[in-house]
Amino acid sequence: DQQVKQNSPSLSVQEGRISILNCDYTNSMFDYFLWYKKYPAEGPTFLISISSIKDKNEDGRFTVFLNKSAKHLSLHIVPSQPGDSAVYFCAARRKTSGSRLTFGEGTQLTVNP
Amino acid sequence: GAGVSQSPSNKVTEKGKDVELRCDPISGHTALYWYRQSLGQGLEFLIYFQGNSAPDKSGLPSDRFSAERTGGSVSTLTIQRTQQEDSAVYLCASTRGGQGLNQPQHFGDGTRLSIL
Repeated sequence: DQQVKQNSPSLSVQEGRISILNCDYTNSMFDYFLWYKKYPAEGPTFLISISSIKDKNEDGRFTVFLNKSAKHLSLHIVPSQPGDSAVYFCAARRKTSGSRLTFGEGTQLTVNP
Repeated sequence: GAGVSQSPSNKVTEKGKDVELRCDPISGHTALYWYRQSLGQGLEFLIYFQGNSAPDKSGLPSDRFSAERTGGSVSTLTIQRTQQEDSAVYLCASTRGGQGLNQPQHFGDGTRLSIL
């Protein structure tokens, strides 16, 4: 039962353009959502998060949008840079589950110079 | 150190042997989590420690897996009688704690476990 899904295994964009990474979830009890970036041989690095009471959170080049009715969130990176090339994971937490995170399968983003 | 520290970074062992993986969380973090990532998959929750509370072991895949956290800091994940399907990257994360608080988990670089 995959409760968090990232349907695109890979995404390729040109430097300077916008990258949009998508994530869908099925459990309406999720109340906190996060995006992590992962380089090879390193652990995931926290990027940005959003609470279910909000629909948008922005931090520099990164913006996360949450559409609760559609059970969909997205991460926008603008402008994209070659150093953004990594695997991006979305994750969700259900408050009653003790803060454990449920992760999507990840999307490999490649930003071409 | 400033971040979550895991050791060893790589471990290769024969099927049937026991292995121990270590995690040293960020100083002062009371919550500690173990996940694993199999090839091409997302992270899979294994176990969660919060302060002195009983751990949430609901993600452990079999009774060959166990974990402990001594003194509220360092944690050890033990896999007994390893099988080839145990091959994965085992990741540890920590947070300042407090169930329900909106805090991101901070991850170590993981232990890459290969079972021959």
